[in-house]
Amino acid sequence: DAGVTQSPTHLIKTRGQHVTLRCSPISGHKSVSWYQQVLGQGPQFIFQYYEKEERGRGNFPDRFSARQFPNYSSELNVNALLLGDSALYLCASSLEVNYGYTFGSGTRLTVV
Amino acid sequence: AQRVTQPEKLLSVFKGAPVELKCNYSYSGSPELFWYVQYSRQRLQLLLRHISRESIKGFTADLNKGETSFHLKKPFAQEEDSAMYYCALKGGSYIPTFGRGTSLIVHP
Repeated sequence: DAGVTQSPTHLIKTRGQHVTLRCSPISGHKSVSWYQQVLGQGPQFIFQYYEKEERGRGNFPDRFSARQFPNYSSELNVNALLLGDSALYLCASSLEVNYGYTFGSGTRLTVV
Repeated sequence: AQRVTQPEKLLSVFKGAPVELKCNYSYSGSPELFWYVQYSRQRLQLLLRHISRESIKGFTADLNKGETSFHLKKPFAQEEDSAMYYCALKGGSYIPTFGRGTSLIVHP
């Protein structure tokens, strides 16, 4: 099993553009969560999905959206990028919502 | 609301010295507490969870509901313990809230 895989690993975007980040959970894991980690801080919760439905949403603007597909993979979309969106975006999967998380390596997004 | 506080941004010790990484939490119900670790150039990974009451890599953590703390301890630090350590809390929503992390540096 490859573990949680995220793509791309690095990305540079310009202010105002949009971006799509992808995550493939561990086989059999039904829950996917997204976190934003700014340098020097802990991961901040963005979204949690379970069985293709949104189960939780953190304190992020509507520019952030996500979805989970029938194969349990997930996409995080961010529109109208701001410089402050530059961060490491982490995806984590778990067997069920109340199980421990397994994290991916993250996507490093730089907005210039 | 749930909150996790890790008061130390950096903890520096010598090899063989005891280590205690502090974690305090705020939550009105019965929380589930975790410690995650991130070694250099590796992904964030679960170290231990309080309900397991286990010792991983010599680390232990005891939930103290009276003091709302979940400090991570190891009696004798090793150089390979150098990493970022994050305390996390899961409340009723099953969504973990992370602290800002403590960087542990173990000097030879």
